[in-house]
Formats: sequence, structure tokens, C-alpha cells
Amino acid sequence: AQKITQTQPGMFVQEKEAVTLDCTYDTSDPSYGLFWYKQPSSGEMIFLIYQGSYDQQNATEGRYSLNFQKARKSANLVISASQLGDSAMYFCAMSPLTRHLFFGTGTRLTVIP
Amino acid sequence: ETGVTQSPTHLIKTRGQQVTLRCSSQSGHNTVSWYQQALGQGPQFIFQYYREEENGRGNFPPRFSGLQFPNYSSELNVNALELDDSALYLCAGTSGSRSSYNEQFFGPGTRLTVL
Repeated sequence: AQKITQTQPGMFVQEKEAVTLDCTYDTSDPSYGLFWYKQPSSGEMIFLIYQGSYDQQNATEGRYSLNFQKARKSANLVISASQLGDSAMYFCAMSPLTRHLFFGTGTRLTVIP
Repeated sequence: ETGVTQSPTHLIKTRGQQVTLRCSSQSGHNTVSWYQQALGQGPQFIFQYYREEENGRGNFPPRFSGLQFPNYSSELNVNALELDDSALYLCAGTSGSRSSYNEQFFGPGTRLTVL
């Protein structure tokens, strides 16, 4: 069984500061993908970043980086230089070989001016 | 823009009725997945179609059914609606092989309210 845990229901960050959103996962699959999605109030899920379980280096996409610690089964999202437009729900998700996604409960990020 | 559209945007139904939600994905998206997102929760996987055949199903009863068509569109049908079916329904398209981790492109969702 797959499980994604996001322990931070809400986070606040000052504009231009960095913030880390936590995610831990549990799976018995030897191979999997890890994703982060952003969901604004409009409802659409916006892909941010992807990490493969066999990737040696942490993924980066612009201001987003994924701190992947395989032994700890954690995949934290780091957002650098926060902007007001970053205020949204953030979901961590995992995909086993079947390719559909298992999502966590999300973290609501609020960027303070 | 993800290239994935859903219709309708909003829908209100009464308990016991049937509903069909539609999704149109990009050319090349041979896989479509449907998710249910209840208020305040993360999306839950309903089922996935790969090349028009069901390729996995989450913990949802048989009254949730689907179809995928050759033109990259798909449908989610829900029979005998219950109050707990009220949620945002998301579809996501992806390309690639059966066992790859390609990015899933989500549509804007259909918000279903069951009264």
C-alpha cells in the first residue's frame, strides 16, 4: 500500500524568504516517482517538480527544489524567494509503476508581504 | 495551460440521479486518470484508462464507471448519486509507456454538488 504524509496543514512565509514543505511516503515498490503539485483556489493542479526514486541528484525547477532522502522516505519541497503568487495548496504525490498518483492531504502556504 | 479541458465546470444534481463528466486531453495522451477531491482533502484516485482499456482502479464502487475514446476524450459516469459524491472531479492526461512516470497534466476540474 502507498501512503503520503504531509504533517503541515498550514505554513506562513515572508515574501522573498525560502520555505520548506514536508512530505514523507511509504511504499514497498522498488521503483516510483515523486511529484509536487500546486493547487490555487481555482482548483487546477499545477505540476511543479518530479523526482525518480533512482535519481542520484535532487531535482530542481527554477525556484523549486526537491530534497530527496530515500533512506528516510522523505521528499520535501523547497521554494526559494517566495512570491505572493505562491500562496496556494501544495500536494505531494507518489506514483508507483501503475502511474496513477497517491496524494497527501496538502499544505496551505500563505506568503506574507 | 495544460491542454486538458473538462466540462461542465459546475454541476448540481440530486441524490439518486446519474451524472456524466467529460474530459478532453491533448493529442498523444494515451492514458487518462480520474480523481475525486473532497473539500479540504487531497485527490483520491478513481480509475485510469490506457489506450481505451481500464488500467487500474481505486477504492470506488462500481457505480463509478468510465470510458476513454480514440480522440483522447474520456467520460466519468456516476450512477445513483449520494451526498458524499459532492467533490471536485479532476482528470489528468499523460503520454508515454505503460510503466513510466511522465508528468500528468490536469484539467481545471468539475465541481459536483449533490443535494
